[in-house]
Amino acid sequence: AQSVTQLGSHVSVSEGALVLLRCNYSSSVPPYLFWYVQYPNQGLQLLLKYTSAATLVKGINGFEAEFKKSETSFHLTKPSAHMSDAAEYFCAVSGNDMRFGAGTRLTVKP
Amino acid sequence: GAVVSQHPSRVICKSGTSVKIECRSLDFQATTMFWYRQFPKQSLMLMATSNEGSKATYEQGVEKDKFLINHASLTLSTLTVTSAHPEDSSFYICSARDLAGGYEQYFGPGTRLTVT
Repeated sequence: AQSVTQLGSHVSVSEGALVLLRCNYSSSVPPYLFWYVQYPNQGLQLLLKYTSAATLVKGINGFEAEFKKSETSFHLTKPSAHMSDAAEYFCAVSGNDMRFGAGTRLTVKP
Repeated sequence: GAVVSQHPSRVICKSGTSVKIECRSLDFQATTMFWYRQFPKQSLMLMATSNEGSKATYEQGVEKDKFLINHASLTLSTLTVTSAHPEDSSFYICSARDLAGGYEQYFGPGTRLTVT
């Protein structure tokens, strides 16, 4: 069975600082991995996805993630946090269905 | 492209009544649709997978007689919460997978159900 684990339920950074949200996956087959962002009382917005092409994936809003098979990781980064990045972030792995991590709440301090 | 809508976006109902939530793929055909439930400050939990024209597959612990799922066409799936109770209050999100294949799912905006 496929699964993802997000390390850190809450991450707090200062505006302008590096954002790093961690995600590790477990999969017996090459995984399809996704990062989503969710703002309060809204649905999910796709940030980026890995589908076995380039290992460094660039997404929307300046986010990117690197697929590292040796570390079974797919961490999300953004060089400079903006106040509008404050939200809940979910890592997910997809096969026949999609399984989500527990989520990481990102807080951005002014 | 790949837009999924849900209706209603918010619903309040009395305990013991039934509520139907619609999920539509607007610009693509979806052989498979998924229903998730999200409690406050928690992640999305898959409730069931529905394939067009066949019975839904429910996750362990999800009561199929309480959460009725119908996927009558390639663009519409419905979730009916029967005999709703306050503990059914949650955010329900559907997603759809494109008939063309692939492992990406397209998510609806969610429905906030409050049972009083």
